[in-house]
Amino acid sequence: DTEVTQTPKHLVMGMTNKKSLKCEQHMGHRAMYWYKQKAKKPPELMFVYSYEKLSINESVPSRFSPECPNSSLLNLHLHALQPEDSALYLCASSLMQSQHFGDGTRLSIL
Amino acid sequence: GQNIDQPTEMTATEGAIVQINCTYQTSGFNGLFWYQQHAGEAPTFLSYNVLDGLEEKGRFSSFLSRSKGYSYLLLKELQMKDSASYLCAVRDSNYQLIWGAGTKLIIKP
Repeated sequence: DTEVTQTPKHLVMGMTNKKSLKCEQHMGHRAMYWYKQKAKKPPELMFVYSYEKLSINESVPSRFSPECPNSSLLNLHLHALQPEDSALYLCASSLMQSQHFGDGTRLSIL
Repeated sequence: GQNIDQPTEMTATEGAIVQINCTYQTSGFNGLFWYQQHAGEAPTFLSYNVLDGLEEKGRFSSFLSRSKGYSYLLLKELQMKDSASYLCAVRDSNYQLIWGAGTKLIIKP
């Protein structure tokens, strides 16, 4: 069981759709992350929020738009994605001595 | 540049012990993490080392030598369910995780 909850677990969308991925944690962690992971590769950092402010955007295309409504929630808004964006999208939250991942959203772009 | 090295694949026998090594060169060091990842699943946090020495958690132990830029994950009494990828990650001076490519561990009966 994970203390970081992500929804949905699976998402199939067309290239013209708009959808959102959601992440929630109630551990009081003040840093939250979005990662993208392709098969047999390590996670790639997309966005970092620290104290609800975007602190790092690793040059991610604008078709991915993050949002941090409060210290427990993190969203990733998706629009006009490409087939190569199909991947496992992971949310994580951290304290100094740990970083925990949610179960991820398996995203497929048709 | 920043670099994390770990073996691509290792094979071990059920009930045995295996050591997975990780060497790193990063801009700054604020801790080293080990994760376990089964195929198609999210990474699971295993351990965190920030000071030199050995941290033990049940069948899993992790060791760190900052002066050598070296860590290992030791798995004892291997079980078939330990077959997975093991990822080493270093938190750098910007407090971001730099990831190794992962070690695929195959456990044979």
